[in-house]
Amino acid sequence: NAGVTQTPKFQVLKTGQSMTLQCAQDMNHEYMSWYRQDPGMGLRLIHYSVGAGITDQGEVPNGYNVSRSTTEDFPLRLLSAAPSQTSVYFCASSIGGWGEAFFGQGTRLTVV
Amino acid sequence: GQQLNQSPQSMFIQEGEDVSMNCTSSSIFNTWLWYKQDPGEGPVLLIALYKAGELTSNGRLTAQFGTTRKDSFLNISASIPSDVGIYFCAGPISSGSARQLTFGSGTQLTVLP
Repeated sequence: NAGVTQTPKFQVLKTGQSMTLQCAQDMNHEYMSWYRQDPGMGLRLIHYSVGAGITDQGEVPNGYNVSRSTTEDFPLRLLSAAPSQTSVYFCASSIGGWGEAFFGQGTRLTVV
Repeated sequence: GQQLNQSPQSMFIQEGEDVSMNCTSSSIFNTWLWYKQDPGEGPVLLIALYKAGELTSNGRLTAQFGTTRKDSFLNISASIPSDVGIYFCAGPISSGSARQLTFGSGTQLTVLP
């Protein structure tokens, strides 16, 4: 019963470093998305995918890249980390973009 | 930007008290979702509402889909310590190539013993 699995749980980066946040789901959901959570801001959509090979930008896409080569995986890449990207990142999957989304446990990222 | 206005931002209540929170929008929503986030975890769906005027319960939780379709309410009765967390409302919006969920800024609930 894995659901949505995110790795790593915690990460500290130096400004300018790159890294990939991993997300995998085993529910055969077509729709996957990445959110960032900042205090008082709720969850803001970074990028989403409606199926393998298809991605699109959300509300706050700058500084992040995504790709979707399989139904199961949806990695989020930070090409050159900035302190403004310090946040908690959540991956979610759902049958469609309109209903219940299942979330991973989150990745707490600190950029120093 | 944020299309859902959630209030209050935070609440401190005594164990056993009832809690009410709400979510409003300037746009019409066809679905309202209420999520709870425990500390250090991802949000989990509590209640989904799909019809204007709908009233749905899940244990001590009751949520209502406002008749104007621009608001929703969540009530928790007889609060207990494990109710602590952040409660989010969410609804689908059309943007880009598909609909996506947008979230309110959350209500942080603290239950005092």
